[in-house]
Amino acid sequence: GAVVSQHPSWVICKSGTSVKIECRSLDFQATTMFWYRQFPKQSLMLMATSNEGSKATYEQGVEKDKFLINHASLTLSTLTVTSAHPEDSSFYICSAPVAGTKDTQYFGPGTRLTVL
Amino acid sequence: GENVEQHPSTLSVQEGDSAVIKCTYSDSASNYFPWYKQELGKRPQLIIDIRSNVGEKKDQRIAVTLNKTAKHFSLHITETQPEDSAVYFCSGGSNYKLTFGKGTLLTVNP
Repeated sequence: GAVVSQHPSWVICKSGTSVKIECRSLDFQATTMFWYRQFPKQSLMLMATSNEGSKATYEQGVEKDKFLINHASLTLSTLTVTSAHPEDSSFYICSAPVAGTKDTQYFGPGTRLTVL
Repeated sequence: GENVEQHPSTLSVQEGDSAVIKCTYSDSASNYFPWYKQELGKRPQLIIDIRSNVGEKKDQRIAVTLNKTAKHFSLHITETQPEDSAVYFCSGGSNYKLTFGKGTLLTVNP
């Protein structure tokens, strides 16, 4: 089946630095990808929809200047957390739609971000 | 927007018993309701889904029911096993945009 990968799987950074997370569709093309954030013991919250070749669509309350999304190709979307702070520490998960469906998604393995 | 409520937040059962998790949704436009199982530190795994043109779906020990009129849907796991222990999330939406419930921590005691 289709696979979505993420890199890195975990990252620790200092407060004020920026961190880039990659999401790749390994054997299929994805014109759209989704970025979720999950705080410990909480649910998944959709942050934004990444669109290949155009601007991302952000959910209400998500700062687009802080969470930069670039969907440069049909197999890669990146999320950059700029000027990270401890409150940005979370599990970031991307997903991509399953081809031939209009609703099913494959999730990536997630990236654990810890900001010191 | 959509609002998905999930109950209970924790559920403990004996091995072999059944487990039921219930969710409600608010947006009548939602037409896709997947359920995910998530183990600690891992990605959510799709275990079963149901669309609004179907009232019930079953896959081995797992079944899901949907009541569109009442806007609620439920997950039923029969003959539970210790490896079923995980957090289960219901979700609802359409066109890939999903809203997740807060999750249910299921513990199956041997």
